Amino acid sequence: QKEVEQNSGPLSVPEGAIASLNCTYSDRGSQSFFWYRQYSGKSPELIMSIYSNGDKEDGRFTAQLNKASQYVSLLIRDSQPSDSATYLCAVKKSSGGYNKLIFGAGTRLAVHP
Amino acid sequence: DTGVSQDPRHKITKRGQNVTFRCDPISEHNRLYWYRQTLGQGPEFLTYFQNEAQLEKSRLLSDRFSAERPKGSFSTLEIQRTEQGDSAMYLCASSSNSGGYNEQFFGPGTRLTVL
Repeated sequence: QKEVEQNSGPLSVPEGAIASLNCTYSDRGSQSFFWYRQYSGKSPELIMSIYSNGDKEDGRFTAQLNKASQYVSLLIRDSQPSDSATYLCAVKKSSGGYNKLIFGAGTRLAVHP
Repeated sequence: DTGVSQDPRHKITKRGQNVTFRCDPISEHNRLYWYRQTLGQGPEFLTYFQNEAQLEKSRLLSDRFSAERPKGSFSTLEIQRTEQGDSAMYLCASSSNSGGYNEQFFGPGTRLTVL
């Protein structure tokens, strides 16, 4: 079992729709969770961080965390073609590993006009 | 620009050659990380510095890899006797230790191609 799992996609949504991206993790004690956006050929860009159960909203993005079920999700409202990218879920482990992040393989999102 | 910078952005080398990459973190960040990313995968952790101390190394970091951060500012990653399997994007990230949240910000990466 991978430590952080994501559906590779592609997830295809029409412009203006809500895109829902999901991620599960194996370390029950993990405390910090991050979503990065990565355009093709570019480096990851941090778009959301979440540390407590529940929802965290920032503009069109909402991160949701459920520690009991060990999943974190990202919702993108009013999806735009410019949102087309790979979205990486990252988890900071709870013990050892100091501050390293464990990444999923990413979900490719395609927003079509 | 006060973000993380990396140099060079691209490197093409022949198998067996040595290469060195540089990373300059965000100026107030005392934590620095190196990751490696191959096509279709997420970044994989290589090593971590807090100030000048290298506190963790991944098992991915074979003896051919060495990293330094001599004055707690910029860092270098050297790969000796490169192999074709070393071809990847090498990413540097930095974070501060305020708040304990460890938000890591990535540089543009160095894309290495070993022929």
